[in-house]
Amino acid sequence: EIVLTQSPGTLSLSPGERATLSCRASQSVSSSYLAWYQQKPGQAPRLLIYGASSRVTGIPDRFSGSGSGTDFTLTISRLEPEDFAVYYCQQYGSSRTFGQGTKVEIK
Amino acid sequence: QVQLQESGPGLVKPSGTLSLTCAVSRGSISSDNWWSWIRQPPGKGLEWIGEIYHSGSTKYNPSLKSRVTISIDKSKNQFSLNLSSVTAADTAVYYCARAPVGTTLWPFDYWGQGTLVTVSS
Repeated sequence: EIVLTQSPGTLSLSPGERATLSCRASQSVSSSYLAWYQQKPGQAPRLLIYGASSRVTGIPDRFSGSGSGTDFTLTISRLEPEDFAVYYCQQYGSSRTFGQGTKVEIK
Repeated sequence: QVQLQESGPGLVKPSGTLSLTCAVSRGSISSDNWWSWIRQPPGKGLEWIGEIYHSGSTKYNPSLKSRVTISIDKSKNQFSLNLSSVTAADTAVYYCARAPVGTTLWPFDYWGQGTLVTVSS
């Protein structure tokens, strides 16, 4: 089973700042089958990024994904008030596993 | 857009069986998708439980495999989850979701709203 480790656990930032979230896999994620989801309280997760770097239609371009192999990054270039949430990475190339999440909170 | 809706008892007794159904609307369950169950204990992260294809083929999380059965009812356009021998550790919000099948692999693009199941006597 591929274990995903996200860091940091919590990111305290102000609106307008840049957020950099990390997701590290215990073994290589085949074909960059790595996705990022956003979850707000009381809501289901929402898919943001798939294939490590492809943005879902309708997701603002301030969200970007990068990486390959075992190291992946989600970057939010300028935080908007609605971006404060929990973010999960997920690999779907070998069964399916999720990271433990990174909470982006208002500083 | 496809819609998914979970339903089932919100309270299950310890050692009992948790049973949930996910109704699919605005789309066919016989389309090329894996239909999945994911859960989230209160205040914790997401855990993939397993999934089913319309052919009946299933995949399960190894950590839950001995207790999980996922089935599909094409006549009702729904799929179901049975989790046996539940304990308090199975208390969670349970989500159903869809992962498209194609020439490449896909993550979960549509989710249900989730339903809280509490295991308690």
